[in-house]
Amino acid sequence: GAVVSQHPSWVICKSGTSVKIECRSLDFQATTMFWYRQFPKQSLMLMATSNEGSKATYEQGVEKDKFLINHASLTLSTLTVTSAHPEDSSFYICSGWYGSNGGELFFGEGSRLTVL
Amino acid sequence: GIQVEQSPPDLILQEGANSTLRCNFSDSVNNLQWFHQNPWGQLINLFYIPSGTKQNGRLSATTVATERYSLLYISSSQTTDSGVYFCAVEIRAGKSTFGDGTTLTVKP
Repeated sequence: GAVVSQHPSWVICKSGTSVKIECRSLDFQATTMFWYRQFPKQSLMLMATSNEGSKATYEQGVEKDKFLINHASLTLSTLTVTSAHPEDSSFYICSGWYGSNGGELFFGEGSRLTVL
Repeated sequence: GIQVEQSPPDLILQEGANSTLRCNFSDSVNNLQWFHQNPWGQLINLFYIPSGTKQNGRLSATTVATERYSLLYISSSQTTDSGVYFCAVEIRAGKSTFGDGTTLTVKP
């Protein structure tokens, strides 16, 4: 299968600071990546679709100015949580969509954000 | 939007037992995937199965797209099978909705 790497795995920051999470496709070109958020013991909730070279598409209820997504190359998408607050603490997971006929999602390791 | 329901929500098994997890979805979908989320949060791809039946070792999956459900079978369960199992249905172009998951605990 295809490999997606996410960094950092863990991050702790102070309230009011910004945090950047990177998502890389290591062995394929991902024109489309997806960012999910997961709270403890809950399912994954799609936050946004990241398309290379264009603006991200955000799901209803997701603040695009709070969660900045940049997909500047075919192998890298970044999520920046701006002016983070404790309620932004969560597990953030990215995925790349890979496949010719249809496609399959492959996930990074996830990033656990704790805002103090 | 599309609804994805998984059952049972929790399942406790003795090592060696077999189990069946179910995923129902409310509308036609392009594709369906099964994942296993390990204790560290990593999502492991199990099956990409828009229709039909696939097998991989002790695991197999069947999707009946016309009836809008998929089943994941785990045979001879092991403690390492513990974790959360998610199905995800693709609506279009990779955009997918996840079910709430089934938490499996396999006891030695």
